Amino acid sequence: SYELTQPPSVSVSPGQTARITCSGDALPKKYAYWYQQKSGQAPVLVIYEDSKRPSGIPERFSASNSGTMATLTISGAQVEDEADYYCYSTGSSGNQRVFGGGTKLTVL
Amino acid sequence: EVRLVESGGGLVQPGGPLTLSCTASGFTFSGYAMGWIRQAPGKGLEWVSAISGSGGSAFYADSVKGRFTISRVNSKDTLYMQMNSLRAEDTALYYCAKISSVSLLSSFYFDFWGRGTLVTVSS
Repeated sequence: SYELTQPPSVSVSPGQTARITCSGDALPKKYAYWYQQKSGQAPVLVIYEDSKRPSGIPERFSASNSGTMATLTISGAQVEDEADYYCYSTGSSGNQRVFGGGTKLTVL
Repeated sequence: EVRLVESGGGLVQPGGPLTLSCTASGFTFSGYAMGWIRQAPGKGLEWVSAISGSGGSAFYADSVKGRFTISRVNSKDTLYMQMNSLRAEDTALYYCAKISSVSLLSSFYFDFWGRGTLVTVSS
């Protein structure tokens, strides 16, 4: 079965740039999406179709997808950005929809 | 404002059935595909199933194929998940989510999520 691999945790100080990676063999041909899940809350879409931001998502959130790796970048991370972040994409077989294992971002 | 409210979760014995519901508001329900995603306690997200806006096509994760059935009643703005032969590993918070398109495109994704309903499978 298809898998997306994320680092379990990333830690930065407030104001620094946080980068969260997601690797998967099908990413060169499939879009990557990113979700933010704060403690006790439902996930929120922060990036769609590799690099697009939904309305209401701060400009400090950006992303790219190159080769077999997608990257979520939070420029000038703030304490309120502390959350679990999940990448999501499709496997090459078409019907597989997969979330990465999640990355816990700590900002302190 | 998009609103999704799940219900129907609870404690069920292994092998038993349970049906989840998701009532939608704030958008034209029939104009969008819908899906279910689950999250086991302390674990990550797992896509479970998706259904097109018309209800004519549906996809399932291998882990639930043959046991779960997704359906929708557009006149009631409601999405369902009928779950049979439940196992301990099905214990999770089940989220209902709106998909960004009416059909299940190659790269469909979830743009709004409900708060979830908890399913616990235990004797």
